[in-house]
Amino acid sequence: EDQVTQSPEALRLQEGESSSLNCSYTVSGLRGLFWYRQDPGKGPEFLFTLYSAGEEKEKERLKATLTKKESFLHITAPKPEDSATYLCAVDSNSGYALNFGKGTSLLVTP
Amino acid sequence: SQTIHQWPATLVQPVGSPLSLECTVEGTSNPNLYWYRQAAGRGLQLLFYSVGIGQISSEVPQNLSASRPQDRQFILSSKKLLLSDSGFYLCAWEEGAGRKSFFGQGTRLTVV
Repeated sequence: EDQVTQSPEALRLQEGESSSLNCSYTVSGLRGLFWYRQDPGKGPEFLFTLYSAGEEKEKERLKATLTKKESFLHITAPKPEDSATYLCAVDSNSGYALNFGKGTSLLVTP
Repeated sequence: SQTIHQWPATLVQPVGSPLSLECTVEGTSNPNLYWYRQAAGRGLQLLFYSVGIGQISSEVPQNLSASRPQDRQFILSSKKLLLSDSGFYLCAWEEGAGRKSFFGQGTRLTVV
Protein backbone atom coordinates (compact mmCIF):
# COMPACT_ATOMS: atom_id res chain seq x y z
CA GLU A 1 0.00 0.00 0.00
CA ASP A 2 1.25 3.46 -0.90
CA GLN A 3 2.41 5.64 1.97
CA VAL A 4 3.17 9.34 2.09
CA THR A 5 4.71 10.80 5.24
CA GLN A 6 5.41 14.47 5.79
CA SER A 7 7.73 15.87 8.42
CA PRO A 8 7.81 17.80 10.58
CA GLU A 9 4.12 18.09 11.43
CA ALA A 10 4.67 21.70 12.45
CA LEU A 11 7.53 24.13 11.93
CA ARG A 12 8.07 27.59 13.33
CA LEU A 13 10.63 29.85 11.67
CA GLN A 14 11.83 33.37 12.15
CA GLU A 15 11.50 35.58 9.11
CA GLY A 16 14.58 35.02 6.94
CA GLU A 17 15.41 31.64 8.53
CA SER A 18 15.63 29.12 5.68
CA SER A 19 14.55 25.50 6.16
CA SER A 20 13.19 22.43 4.40
CA LEU A 21 10.03 20.36 4.59
CA ASN A 22 10.20 16.65 3.88
CA CYS A 23 7.85 14.30 2.06
CA SER A 24 8.91 10.65 2.06
CA TYR A 25 6.97 8.14 0.02
CA THR A 26 6.64 4.42 -0.56
CA VAL A 27 4.73 3.71 -3.76
CA SER A 28 4.64 1.16 -6.52
CA GLY A 29 5.63 3.13 -9.57
CA LEU A 30 5.73 6.87 -8.98
CA ARG A 31 4.04 8.80 -11.77
CA GLY A 32 4.23 12.21 -10.16
CA LEU A 33 4.68 14.07 -6.88
CA PHE A 34 2.72 17.23 -6.14
CA TRP A 35 3.14 20.06 -3.64
CA TYR A 36 0.24 22.22 -2.54
CA ARG A 37 -0.12 25.18 -0.20
CA GLN A 38 -3.25 25.44 1.95
CA ASP A 39 -4.27 28.51 3.92
CA PRO A 40 -6.65 28.09 6.88
CA GLY A 41 -10.24 27.53 5.77
CA LYS A 42 -9.29 27.44 2.09
CA GLY A 43 -8.77 24.79 -0.56
CA PRO A 44 -5.23 23.68 -1.45
CA GLU A 45 -3.39 25.74 -4.07
CA PHE A 46 -1.15 23.96 -6.55
CA LEU A 47 2.57 24.73 -6.32
CA PHE A 48 4.67 22.12 -8.17
CA THR A 49 4.67 18.78 -9.94
CA LEU A 50 7.82 16.63 -10.05
CA TYR A 51 8.00 13.53 -12.22
CA SER A 52 11.46 12.02 -11.93
CA ALA A 53 14.38 11.79 -9.51
CA GLY A 54 16.74 14.73 -9.85
CA GLU A 55 14.05 17.10 -11.02
CA GLU A 56 13.79 20.53 -9.39
CA LYS A 57 11.18 23.29 -9.62
CA GLU A 58 11.34 26.83 -8.24
CA LYS A 59 8.83 29.54 -7.52
CA GLU A 60 9.84 32.69 -5.66
CA ARG A 61 11.24 31.55 -2.27
CA LEU A 62 10.22 27.92 -2.77
CA LYS A 63 12.19 25.14 -4.40
CA ALA A 64 11.03 21.54 -4.68
CA THR A 65 13.37 18.61 -5.27
CA LEU A 66 12.76 14.91 -5.81
CA THR A 67 14.75 11.73 -5.14
CA LYS A 68 13.66 8.11 -5.47
CA LYS A 69 12.42 8.05 -1.88
CA GLU A 70 11.55 11.60 -0.89
CA SER A 71 10.90 15.16 -1.87
CA PHE A 72 11.98 18.35 -0.17
CA LEU A 73 10.36 21.75 -0.24
CA HIS A 74 13.08 24.26 0.50
CA ILE A 75 12.02 27.67 1.75
CA THR A 76 14.65 30.36 1.41
CA ALA A 77 14.44 33.51 3.55
CA PRO A 78 10.76 32.97 4.37
CA LYS A 79 8.34 35.79 5.05
CA PRO A 80 5.26 35.77 7.32
CA GLU A 81 3.04 35.44 4.25
CA ASP A 82 4.60 32.02 3.62
CA SER A 83 2.79 30.75 6.71
CA ALA A 84 0.44 27.96 5.63
CA THR A 85 0.08 24.20 5.60
CA TYR A 86 2.09 22.53 2.84
CA LEU A 87 0.71 19.29 1.43
CA CYS A 88 2.50 16.63 -0.54
CA ALA A 89 0.68 14.11 -2.76
CA VAL A 90 1.79 11.25 -4.99
CA ASP A 91 0.32 9.69 -8.09
CA SER A 92 1.31 6.06 -8.56
CA ASN A 93 0.51 2.96 -10.56
CA SER A 94 -1.37 1.40 -7.64
CA GLY A 95 -4.42 3.66 -7.57
CA TYR A 96 -6.50 6.20 -9.36
CA ALA A 97 -6.45 8.87 -6.68
CA LEU A 98 -3.68 11.09 -5.48
CA ASN A 99 -2.40 9.96 -2.09
CA PHE A 100 -1.94 12.95 0.22
CA GLY A 101 0.28 13.32 3.24
CA LYS A 102 -1.04 14.97 6.41
CA GLY A 103 0.85 18.17 5.74
CA THR A 104 3.36 20.40 7.48
CA SER A 105 2.01 23.47 9.22
CA LEU A 106 4.50 26.32 8.76
CA LEU A 107 4.46 29.48 10.85
CA VAL A 108 6.87 32.30 9.99
CA THR A 109 7.13 35.01 12.61
CA PRO A 110 8.39 38.57 12.00
CA SER B 1 -9.26 30.58 -17.61
CA GLN B 2 -10.71 27.78 -15.58
CA THR B 3 -12.46 28.39 -12.28
CA ILE B 4 -14.14 26.14 -9.76
CA HIS B 5 -17.03 27.17 -7.55
CA GLN B 6 -18.08 25.35 -4.43
CA TRP B 7 -20.87 26.29 -2.05
CA PRO B 8 -21.88 26.87 0.62
CA ALA B 9 -18.70 27.87 2.47
CA THR B 10 -20.06 26.82 5.84
CA LEU B 11 -22.99 24.69 6.87
CA VAL B 12 -24.41 23.58 10.22
CA GLN B 13 -26.88 20.73 9.97
CA PRO B 14 -28.65 18.57 12.55
CA VAL B 15 -28.10 14.84 12.74
CA GLY B 16 -30.49 13.02 10.44
CA SER B 17 -30.99 15.92 8.04
CA PRO B 18 -30.18 15.69 4.31
CA LEU B 19 -27.16 17.25 2.64
CA SER B 20 -26.44 18.67 -0.78
CA LEU B 21 -23.13 20.32 -1.66
CA GLU B 22 -22.60 21.61 -5.16
CA CYS B 23 -19.51 22.17 -7.24
CA THR B 24 -19.27 23.64 -10.73
CA VAL B 25 -16.30 24.17 -13.02
CA GLU B 26 -16.01 26.82 -15.71
CA GLY B 27 -13.67 27.13 -18.64
CA THR B 28 -13.04 23.47 -19.36
CA SER B 29 -14.98 20.52 -20.72
CA ASN B 30 -15.16 16.90 -19.63
CA PRO B 31 -12.95 17.39 -16.56
CA ASN B 32 -12.25 14.66 -14.05
CA LEU B 33 -13.99 15.75 -10.83
CA TYR B 34 -13.31 14.77 -7.24
CA TRP B 35 -14.83 15.11 -3.77
CA TYR B 36 -12.42 14.97 -0.83
CA ARG B 37 -12.92 15.24 2.92
CA GLN B 38 -10.28 16.71 5.18
CA ALA B 39 -10.46 16.01 8.91
CA ALA B 40 -8.30 17.75 11.47
CA GLY B 41 -4.88 16.11 11.72
CA ARG B 42 -5.55 13.85 8.78
CA GLY B 43 -4.74 14.00 5.11
CA LEU B 44 -7.22 14.53 2.33
CA GLN B 45 -9.45 11.50 1.93
CA LEU B 46 -10.86 10.87 -1.52
CA LEU B 47 -14.60 10.20 -1.37
CA PHE B 48 -15.75 10.10 -5.00
CA TYR B 49 -14.40 10.75 -8.45
CA SER B 50 -16.06 11.08 -11.83
CA VAL B 51 -14.62 10.86 -15.34
CA GLY B 52 -17.86 11.83 -17.08
CA ILE B 53 -21.58 12.54 -16.80
CA GLY B 54 -23.31 9.88 -14.73
CA GLN B 55 -20.00 8.08 -14.03
CA ILE B 56 -19.25 7.96 -10.31
CA SER B 57 -16.67 5.88 -8.49
CA SER B 58 -16.60 5.60 -4.72
CA GLU B 59 -13.35 5.18 -2.86
CA VAL B 60 -14.76 4.76 0.63
CA PRO B 61 -18.15 3.21 1.48
CA GLN B 62 -20.08 5.58 3.73
CA ASN B 63 -23.16 7.63 4.35
CA LEU B 64 -22.58 9.85 1.33
CA SER B 65 -23.32 9.69 -2.38
CA ALA B 66 -22.32 11.73 -5.40
CA SER B 67 -23.88 12.59 -8.72
CA ARG B 68 -22.80 14.31 -11.91
CA PRO B 69 -25.90 15.48 -13.73
CA GLN B 70 -24.00 17.78 -16.10
CA ASP B 71 -20.48 17.82 -17.52
CA ARG B 72 -19.20 20.48 -15.16
CA GLN B 73 -21.42 19.91 -12.12
CA PHE B 74 -20.64 17.57 -9.26
CA ILE B 75 -22.94 17.11 -6.26
CA LEU B 76 -22.28 15.49 -2.90
CA SER B 77 -25.34 14.29 -1.03
CA SER B 78 -26.56 12.47 2.01
CA LYS B 79 -30.06 11.37 2.97
CA LYS B 80 -29.36 11.40 6.71
CA LEU B 81 -26.28 13.06 8.19
CA LEU B 82 -24.29 11.51 11.01
CA LEU B 83 -22.10 13.32 13.53
CA SER B 84 -19.10 11.65 11.90
CA ASP B 85 -19.88 13.41 8.61
CA SER B 86 -18.56 16.67 10.04
CA GLY B 87 -15.48 17.92 8.25
CA PHE B 88 -14.06 20.10 5.51
CA TYR B 89 -15.28 19.02 2.08
CA LEU B 90 -13.32 19.90 -1.01
CA CYS B 91 -14.22 19.62 -4.67
CA ALA B 92 -11.44 19.43 -7.24
CA TRP B 93 -11.01 19.15 -10.99
CA GLU B 94 -8.07 17.66 -12.79
CA GLU B 95 -6.17 19.12 -15.67
CA GLY B 96 -5.48 16.63 -18.42
CA ALA B 97 -3.16 13.67 -18.13
CA GLY B 98 -0.73 15.41 -15.79
CA ARG B 99 -2.96 14.76 -12.76
CA LYS B 100 -2.62 18.35 -11.58
CA SER B 101 -5.70 19.11 -9.47
CA PHE B 102 -7.33 22.43 -8.72
CA PHE B 103 -9.45 22.78 -5.63
CA GLY B 104 -12.51 24.76 -4.67
CA GLN B 105 -12.57 26.85 -1.55
CA GLY B 106 -14.20 24.10 0.51
CA THR B 107 -17.29 23.67 2.66
CA ARG B 108 -16.97 23.45 6.43
CA LEU B 109 -19.77 21.08 7.52
CA THR B 110 -20.69 20.76 11.17
CA VAL B 111 -23.28 18.16 12.10
CA VAL B 112 -24.86 18.86 15.48
